[in-house]
Amino acid sequence: GAGVSQSPSNKVTEKGKDVELRCDPISGHTALYWYRQSLGQGLEFLIYFQGNSAPDKSGLPSDRFSAERTGGSVSTLTIQRTQQEDSAVYLCASSLGPYNSPLHFGNGTRLTVT
Amino acid sequence: AQRVTQPEKLLSVFKGAPVELKCNYSYSGSPELFWYVQYSRQRLQLLLRHISRESIKGFTADLNKGETSFHLKKPFAQEEDSAMYYCALRVPEKLVFGKGTKLTVNP
Repeated sequence: GAGVSQSPSNKVTEKGKDVELRCDPISGHTALYWYRQSLGQGLEFLIYFQGNSAPDKSGLPSDRFSAERTGGSVSTLTIQRTQQEDSAVYLCASSLGPYNSPLHFGNGTRLTVT
Repeated sequence: AQRVTQPEKLLSVFKGAPVELKCNYSYSGSPELFWYVQYSRQRLQLLLRHISRESIKGFTADLNKGETSFHLKKPFAQEEDSAMYYCALRVPEKLVFGKGTKLTVNP
């Protein structure tokens, strides 16, 4: 399919471990976004990429969170030393550009920290 | 600061009844607003955007700058409209979302 692809779809990890979440955007989409979806909190913005650079990483909750994007395509969100409050669904979205194009979302990665 | 408020976490109506999902925003710039919908076990998808002034699946939304609102309306709700609805504001390179309203349409 031509949609945004995220892996894994589910991840259970122990508190204190590191996790990596992957996002494959739609081909040709230059803008890529990470959001966190948790019960009662809606969608919280984490970080936005234009190409390989991240002009806005204001939503990253702590320095345990980092993200990178390579080749203007695949992005990885890394959470170090996971905590129980990190449990949520992590959504990736891409768009043709950052201004006038709608966001296309992936199915998300459900992260559970035990 | 930019903010999107959806005052109702849950909304329940009967099939055939009118439905209105409320959205208010706070933004100093020129607003561009969207409604996204997430059906059960499906990904979040765009429902409509105010600049298109379109009706999708019978839903409409009008931007009211005076009241800083972008309420979503449908005159006759259907069971298949049951879903989570999110209002979003572009600011300007990213979208800020409200916390969502879960709509349940009862038979």
